[in-house]
This record gives sequence, structure tokens and C-alpha cells, in this order.
Amino acid sequence: DSGVTQTPKHLITATGQRVTLRCSPRSGDLSVYWYQQSLDQGLQFLIQYYNGEERAKGNILERFSAQQFPDLHSELNLSSLELGDSALYFCASSVEPLTDTQYFGPGTRLTVL
Amino acid sequence: AQSVTQLDSQVPVFEEAPVELRCNYSSSVSVYLFWYVQYPNQGLQLLLKYLSGSTLVKGINGFEAEFNKSQTSFHLRKPSVHISDTAEYFCAVSSLANQAGTALIFGKGTTLSVSS
Repeated sequence: DSGVTQTPKHLITATGQRVTLRCSPRSGDLSVYWYQQSLDQGLQFLIQYYNGEERAKGNILERFSAQQFPDLHSELNLSSLELGDSALYFCASSVEPLTDTQYFGPGTRLTVL
Repeated sequence: AQSVTQLDSQVPVFEEAPVELRCNYSSSVSVYLFWYVQYPNQGLQLLLKYLSGSTLVKGINGFEAEFNKSQTSFHLRKPSVHISDTAEYFCAVSSLANQAGTALIFGKGTTLSVSS
């Protein structure tokens, strides 16, 4: 158990819908990262927050957005869902960016039908 | 931009045999290197990381990796594998030079299959 929790574990929805994925980082970790894992693209960085502020963006679509709340939990919002958005979404957290170990949650498996 | 290449997508080995999973990275600046393991239906777990200092890094579960700056490689090794080592292994890099900031850039992964 990494100490990072993600809910829900599985999510099945239809095209065009909107979903919210939730992540609670390890106690004391200020950085939260979101990654997408799919068969064709592999593991790709989406977005990072540090202590409530957006720090970096990766290959995140405009239909996707995220935020980190004062209690440091984070939410990833995916809207106008397409079949290709089906993937495993991971949240990771660390104390310090760059060199500190990123601890990964168990992931949320999103299936868009 | 940073990139990571894992040279083998699948590596089948017999139990108790040695194994090497190869990883090359591209960079013109200092990088930090990581190996993560993903067991079926689970998240990623850190095996080891190289930040600075000794180029031979020891990790959990008997794994080690050697950082070679001239060859821009960070190969993962284990002298004797077990059935329980069957998993997906990811090499990753982070660097201040990344457009992605401090996020990890991952390779495509190597599936290690250990059979008896």
C-alpha cells in the first residue's frame, strides 16, 4: 500500500459524458501528478499540482481539467468523453518534486462505451 | 525533449536465471533515473532510483541498475529471478530540462515473464 488512494476503482460511462476522478495523496506530500496509461500511448504525464497550484502540464487534452484543494486532495475532470479516453488513470504524490520518489495510487480504470 | 527507450518489449526467462532489462535515455543535461515495477492490476512501485553519486544503484527485491552517462543507459539487472518477478517494468527519467517540469517521462515498458 503506497498510501495514495484513488476513487473510484472502476468507472464505466458513455461517450459524451463527464466524470470526476479523485486522489488523496500520502500524508505530508505536497505534489500531486496525474498520469494516463493506455495500450497505445503507454504511461503519459497529464498534469502536476504543488500545494494547490498548477506546476506543469503534459499531454492533457483541453477536455480534461484538474485541481488540487486546500486539503491537498486532487480531482481530475474528464468531459465530452470519447472512446479513446478509455484508460487507466494514475495519481502519484511526492514530498518534493524532481528527486523525491513518486508514490502511485492503484489507479482508476475508465471505460467509455 | 527528454525521451526514454526500453529496448525490449518482452523478456522471457527461466526461474533462477539472470536477467537484464535495457533502458536508454536521451538528454543533454543532468537527469534523475528511476525503475518502477507494475504487477498485474496494481499501481507502480519504485524499485530503485539514481540521483547522483555511485553509478551502481541497489534496489528492492534484489534488483540493481547501473548508470552509464557516456552510453546514456540505465540497465536493470537481477542475478537470479523468481516466478514472483513476473511483471511490467518501466524505466523513467525526470529533469529540470523537461517541459513537463518534474514529472516522470516513462519508457514503453518491458514485460518480464519468468517460468519454471
